[in-house]
Amino acid sequence: QLLLQEAGPGLVTPSETLSLTCSVSGDSFSNPSFFWGWVRQSPGKGLEYLGTAYYTGSTFYNPSLKSRLTISVDKSSDKLSLRLTSVTAADTAVYFCARHGARGSPYYFDIWGQGTLVTVPS
Amino acid sequence: EIVMTQSPATLSVSPGESATLSCRASRNVVSNLAWYQQKPGQPPRLLIYDASIRASGIPARFSGSGSGTDFTLTISTLQSEDFAVYFCQQYYTWVPLTFGGGTKVEV
Repeated sequence: QLLLQEAGPGLVTPSETLSLTCSVSGDSFSNPSFFWGWVRQSPGKGLEYLGTAYYTGSTFYNPSLKSRLTISVDKSSDKLSLRLTSVTAADTAVYFCARHGARGSPYYFDIWGQGTLVTVPS
Repeated sequence: EIVMTQSPATLSVSPGESATLSCRASRNVVSNLAWYQQKPGQPPRLLIYDASIRASGIPARFSGSGSGTDFTLTISTLQSEDFAVYFCQQYYTWVPLTFGGGTKVEV
């Protein structure tokens, strides 16, 4: 059974960098069949797509965050990482890592982590 | 960016009844549409992809239809565990993928 687990600090200081990792069991982020992504959800709000990475280094980013966001697959540790710079209170959200379900395409998400809450105080 | 609009925001139904949720795309997304269910404190769960294909393990009471810009998720014979928030997502355009604002199905 494939499981994803996010990890990172629950609290980030404004203007600092948010760093999260995602671990996988039952698969590998180097699996050539799948893309892997990050989605966030502000408290009580909807879902916002952040970006996607592939083990080759290919990435796709939401243009609204592209200047601040880096997503990558670390093949040595087999983790998916997210770095978001210059955070503000607007970045407070639950951050989910997820697998794109369609083989070879960054389409819908079929497997999700439980999410990790990141708070940026105002 | 393709904007996804869901209606209604809240749908009040009784157990045993059916529910019809709508999702409209600002541009043609063909059949590149997914539906998710989310319960409090849980991640979204994929229900439907390619507009009408049920994901693995999803009960047959969930059905999706539509193409182009207008899509529908129908839940027949609502069970107690179906009361949740439902989101649609288009993947016709990858950058960015976009979600609807959600429909809350409540008793």
